[in-house]
Amino acid sequence: EAQVTQNPRYLITVTGKKLTVTCSQNMNHEYMSWYRQDPGLGLRQIYYSMNVEVTDKGDVPEGYKVSRKEKRNFPLILESPSPNQTSLYFCASSSGLAGADTQYFGPGTRLTVL
Amino acid sequence: EDQVTQSPEALRLQEGESSSLNCSYTVSGLRGLFWYRQDPGKGPEFLFTLYSAGEEKEKERLKATLTKKESFLHITAPKPEDSATYLCAVCTNRDDKIIFGKGTRLHILP
Repeated sequence: EAQVTQNPRYLITVTGKKLTVTCSQNMNHEYMSWYRQDPGLGLRQIYYSMNVEVTDKGDVPEGYKVSRKEKRNFPLILESPSPNQTSLYFCASSSGLAGADTQYFGPGTRLTVL
Repeated sequence: EDQVTQSPEALRLQEGESSSLNCSYTVSGLRGLFWYRQDPGKGPEFLFTLYSAGEEKEKERLKATLTKKESFLHITAPKPEDSATYLCAVCTNRDDKIIFGKGTRLHILP
């Protein structure tokens, strides 16, 4: 089954404790992306990657890191989480020309930073 | 500045009452415009991609259209199961970023 998986689905952590949210897709897609979704602000792109070893900042990259060492994986790293990073996070992937194709979204990771 | 604006923010309709959702966009260059449906607590689900002005796509009770400045999602004779948040997004050809609107919350009353 074609899918995007994220882990963990729920996470409660404390300020400053480094964490990684994993994202994996089994569709051999080139374009992968991370979003955060906040009430009243909608979905905002954090980082995206158009291929292995190629990553670019989205609209809200501050406080986040990503890496793309393999085509299928695109982990999101919070080196020193802060309460304003409490949010619902989605990973997505798409094939075709950069991001201009169907994006498949993961189920989401709900992060709470205390 | 590239931006996407959706209206209305929320819409309540009776079952069978057709209507349209609007997505207006300002981008330096459009690579594609997308419509998604999102149910509470779940990831967005793809509906349509439109690439050029004049293009139209249909799926069951939904029809999406595109002009140079806006897109409409027409809902014909909606059913309660069509209740969801509908999201519009654009991919710019300047840098391949994807920008979402804030969505329209649609509620269909039985």
